[in-house]
Amino acid sequence: DAKTTQPPSMDCAEGRAANLPCNHSTISGNEYVYWYRQIHSQGPQYIIHGLKNNETNEMASLIITEDRKSSTLILPHATLRDTAVYYCIVKGNEKLTFGTGTRLTIIP
Amino acid sequence: DAGVIQSPRHEVTEMGQEVTLRCKPISGHDYLFWYRQTMMRGLELLIYFNNNVPIDDSGMPEDRFSAKMPNASFSTLKIQPSEPRDSAVYFCASSPLGGFYEQYFGPGTRLTVT
Repeated sequence: DAKTTQPPSMDCAEGRAANLPCNHSTISGNEYVYWYRQIHSQGPQYIIHGLKNNETNEMASLIITEDRKSSTLILPHATLRDTAVYYCIVKGNEKLTFGTGTRLTIIP
Repeated sequence: DAGVIQSPRHEVTEMGQEVTLRCKPISGHDYLFWYRQTMMRGLELLIYFNNNVPIDDSGMPEDRFSAKMPNASFSTLKIQPSEPRDSAVYFCASSPLGGFYEQYFGPGTRLTVT
């Protein structure tokens, strides 16, 4: 699976959009981009995934660049409950390989 | 649905003892995954099953670790004998329809080996 690079930490003001970047320059054509998050002491939670098109669900939006070498997860109106570690994962089979993720802190 | 169920939620044991962690996946999910999370190594995949059959156990750290899935609704992860370096949070996850779908994680079992 392709390796991903994420900033170790980010802050975002409550109510603002949180934009979390991820670089995956070695992604292959059949690999998907997945985002999970882990709130303190809980199991990871699936957020969204995509292949090449932008995706949106009730939790977030995923923007994938045309060359697929990077993506951005957008939480449109961040709340304090969105404070968590966010993992960007690229995978082409059943396995998830977690990196170190981005620790997002929502500031009141 | 109750989600993925793990037991116990916390386990404290002494070095050398056998430890058994349990997982009940979401009904209808045909993939089951065991992960371990530590501060030093992060979240690691240990083993996963498809339709009760182990598919990839390359993440199992050593022979002291074993996992079974006797039926579609139950899996165990056993450590025998346990060592202090096995202290971690162990997560079970399940996934429907081919494993490419999202994985649903349980609350984890926090294991402390003294």
